[in-house]
Amino acid sequence: GAVVSQHPSRVICKSGTSVKIECRSLDFQATTMFWYRQFPKQSLMLMATSNEGSKATYEQGVEKDKFLINHASLTLSTLTVTSAHPEDSSFYICSALAPGGTDTQYFGPGTRLTVL
Amino acid sequence: GESVGLHLPTLSVQEGDNSIINCAYSNSASDYFIWYKQESGKGPQFIIDIRSNMDKRQGQRVTVLLNKTVKHLSLQIAATQPGDSAVYFCAETSGYSTLTFGKGTMLLVSP
Repeated sequence: GAVVSQHPSRVICKSGTSVKIECRSLDFQATTMFWYRQFPKQSLMLMATSNEGSKATYEQGVEKDKFLINHASLTLSTLTVTSAHPEDSSFYICSALAPGGTDTQYFGPGTRLTVL
Repeated sequence: GESVGLHLPTLSVQEGDNSIINCAYSNSASDYFIWYKQESGKGPQFIIDIRSNMDKRQGQRVTVLLNKTVKHLSLQIAATQPGDSAVYFCAETSGYSTLTFGKGTMLLVSP
């Protein structure tokens, strides 16, 4: 099956700093990628839809100036958490939409962000 | 089942039993449904999917049932193994590719 990677797998940062998370589709091109956030013992919540070459579409309640998304190529989307605070600590998961007009999303392994 | 606060509904079974995990979805316009398995600290893993023009689909050891009348989805796992222990999520979409995830059920399989 298609493989999606994320880097880093875990990151610890100080409050006020910015953190960049990468999402890569390794063996296919993804025009559309998605970013989710998951708090402990909760479900995945969609943050934004990332489209290659255009601005991301953010879900209601997600601050676009705080969570910067860049989808500069067909295999890479990045999420930058700016001025991170402890409440941003979470598990961030990306997915890539399979090519060919299907609804199938391939998920990355997730990134554990801890903000001190 | 539904979760309250931070408590995931939990299904505990013995190894070898059949497991049934249920999910109620909310959008009657949803036409594609997926079950995911998520192990601790990992991303969701695709298990099986079903489109709204079907009411049953079988995979290897897994079966998904869809009841559109009551907006209910279930995942049946035959001969459950300890390696099946994980959190299971249903997800729905109405064709615009945005997935909406259910609250999740934790499956605990004891040897």
